[in-house]
Amino acid sequence: NAGVTQTPKFRVLKTGQSMTLLCAQDMNHEYMYWYRQDPGMGLRLIHYSVGEGTTAKGEVPDGYNVSRLKKQNFLLGLESAAPSQTSVYFCASSPTEVLAGQLYEQYFGPGTRLTVT
Amino acid sequence: AQTVTQSQPEMSVQEAETVTLSCTYDTSENNYYLFWYKQPPSRQMILVIRQEAYKQQNATENRFSVNFQKAAKSFSLKISDSQLGDTAMYFCAFMTLYNAGGTSYGKLTFGQGTILTVHP
Repeated sequence: NAGVTQTPKFRVLKTGQSMTLLCAQDMNHEYMYWYRQDPGMGLRLIHYSVGEGTTAKGEVPDGYNVSRLKKQNFLLGLESAAPSQTSVYFCASSPTEVLAGQLYEQYFGPGTRLTVT
Repeated sequence: AQTVTQSQPEMSVQEAETVTLSCTYDTSENNYYLFWYKQPPSRQMILVIRQEAYKQQNATENRFSVNFQKAAKSFSLKISDSQLGDTAMYFCAFMTLYNAGGTSYGKLTFGQGTILTVHP
C-alpha cells in the first residue's frame, strides 16, 4: 500500500516549457487535491476533484490545468511555465465521509519541487 | 473567505519541555474542522491532531493537545515533553465542508506555518 505518490520528485524547467505532474493514490479515495507551497504562505489549493471525470478550481488556479480520467490518478499540467510557478507541489486525497466516519482527513504525497528558470 | 493566521514564524524549545504554538482563524461558518499538520525536513505532511468545531472537548493525541476557543477563533497546539523528532514546520489548517452528490468533502486553508526547533 503506497498511499499517495507523486512523479517526478524534482524538475527544472525553462520559461515557456510545459510539463505534467502525476499524482496516484491506491486507497480508492474519491476526492483529490493539488496544492502549492511557497515560503511564508503555507499551502494553497490549486485545483481539486470530487470524482472521476470532474475537476474544479481552487484558490490559485491560473496557469494550471488538471484532469482526472481515472479515479486513482490526478494530473496537474503547466502549459507554459513561468518563474512564478517555482514552488513545491503537493497532491492529497481523501475518502468520502461515509467511509471515513466524518474524519475528513487528507492524505498527502511527498511533494514535487519545481524550479522554473 | 476563511483565513488562518500563525503569528509565530519561529519557536524553539529545550528537549523535554513544553511549547505552545498559536493559531487564529476567521470564518462565518459554524460547522468546520481544524487540523495541525507537521512537516519535517523530509517535506512529508503528517497529520498531528484534529478538532471538530461542534465538540467542546479539546482533542489530545499522546503528547499533543489543543486549546480550542471557538468564540475567540483560536486553536493553539501544545507539545509536552518535546523530543528532537518534533523539530519541524507546523501548519494550522481550517477545513470548510462542501456537499458533493450526497456526501461531503473538505477544502483546507493553511496558515503560514511555524518553524519549531527542539534543542538537546
